[in-house]
Amino acid sequence: KAGVTQTPRYLIKTRGQQVTLSCSPISGHRSVSWYQQTPGQGLQFLFEYFSETQRNKGNFPGRFSGRQFSNSRSEMNVSTLELGDSALYLCASSLGQGAFMNTEAFFGQGTRLTVV
Amino acid sequence: KQEVTQIPAALSVPEGENLVLNCSFTDSAIYNLQWFRQDPGKGLTSLLLIQSSQREQTSGRLNASLDKSSGRSTLYIAASQPGDSATYLCAVRRGAGGTSYGKLTFGQGTILTVHP
Repeated sequence: KAGVTQTPRYLIKTRGQQVTLSCSPISGHRSVSWYQQTPGQGLQFLFEYFSETQRNKGNFPGRFSGRQFSNSRSEMNVSTLELGDSALYLCASSLGQGAFMNTEAFFGQGTRLTVV
Repeated sequence: KQEVTQIPAALSVPEGENLVLNCSFTDSAIYNLQWFRQDPGKGLTSLLLIQSSQREQTSGRLNASLDKSSGRSTLYIAASQPGDSATYLCAVRRGAGGTSYGKLTFGQGTILTVHP
């Protein structure tokens, strides 16, 4: 059974550019969440999608956005990149509803974004 | 606002020792708690998931306990091995009345080194 797949694994972008990251969840999982990991702030929640609808959103500026497609794949977009956006971006998938074990989160390998 | 604290921040032990990692959270209105490990530059691997009404979960050499009323969880690792060296993270998912909310709040992690 394939795990959570994130592409690309590494990205280098220039300040002011925009970037799109992709996440393919485990087959059958309908919930996809995104997290930002930095040495100073640790892991911080960005947003969660379930069945193409945003269910939760963290405290990030509007430059961070996301969407989910009908096949549950998700993308997140960061516009007008800043140096502080350099981080490991992690995607997690879960079944999303029903019994409690269905909320177990499985993470991808992440996308390492470097803004120069 | 939920805050999750992990103690100690770092731990170095000789191979074969039993060890305990601690996690505390400020808001007891949790749906479940999940322990992860993270290897350098990699994503998170789920270790154990405990529902808020459970007291403990076991998987192989790992045992996680949960005391929701006091806001504490411990991860016990028996007979540690060099391959256990990683960062261990605990995360709580908010919820009430049997309903979960997608956001995971993470602690800063405990960096574990097991030397031969």
